[in-house]
Amino acid sequence: GENVEQHPSTLSVQEGDSAVIKCTYSDSASNYFPWYKQELGKRPQLIIDIRSNVGEKKDQRIAVTLNKTAKHFSLHITETQPEDSAVYFCAASRRGDGANNLFFGTGTRLTVIP
Amino acid sequence: NAGVTQTPKFQVLKTGQSMTLQCAQDMNHNSMYWYRQDPGMGLRLIYYSASEGTTDKGEVPNGYNVSRLNKREFSLRLESAAPSQTSVYFCASRTSGGSDTQYFGPGTRLTVL
Repeated sequence: GENVEQHPSTLSVQEGDSAVIKCTYSDSASNYFPWYKQELGKRPQLIIDIRSNVGEKKDQRIAVTLNKTAKHFSLHITETQPEDSAVYFCAASRRGDGANNLFFGTGTRLTVIP
Repeated sequence: NAGVTQTPKFQVLKTGQSMTLQCAQDMNHNSMYWYRQDPGMGLRLIYYSASEGTTDKGEVPNGYNVSRLNKREFSLRLESAAPSQTSVYFCASRTSGGSDTQYFGPGTRLTVL
């Protein structure tokens, strides 16, 4: 099955700085890579995703890059704000493969210091 | 739309007791999922239902059973709870077709003593 590794497990940045979280995956057939944000005591919520036919996607201060050859993808948050503090999870799946099951990384706890 | 709802929010069981976690979605989604979340281990898939009438095992199915009661509802049953099943349980759903997004419920925090 798919194995997703995520680094770092914790990350502290000063407000206004950038944050980068990296994930690798093992299954070359995976073609969908979402990122979820989970605030303390809340449910995971999708913040951005990328499909394997593109290398980069941006949404305001958030961007995701994908390197299919190296089987890794990254989340970039610019101009961080205190409300960005949360746990972030990457995931990988095969689109169109029945239920489209997601395989999650172990999470990165991001703390933005005001 | 309420989205994905789960009951109960919290539950404490004794070892050997049974219980059913309920999940419902009002988005007319075809696929539904049960995950458990443990510290440092991310979310792991327990069971899933690709469509009404079908269920399949995920990564960690041992000790659990599921029922896809209808298109809206997907329940998770613990027949004989064990301390190792202490966790936060999330239900999720996804439509078929072009969208890949899974929408999560608010979670159930289960403690087994």
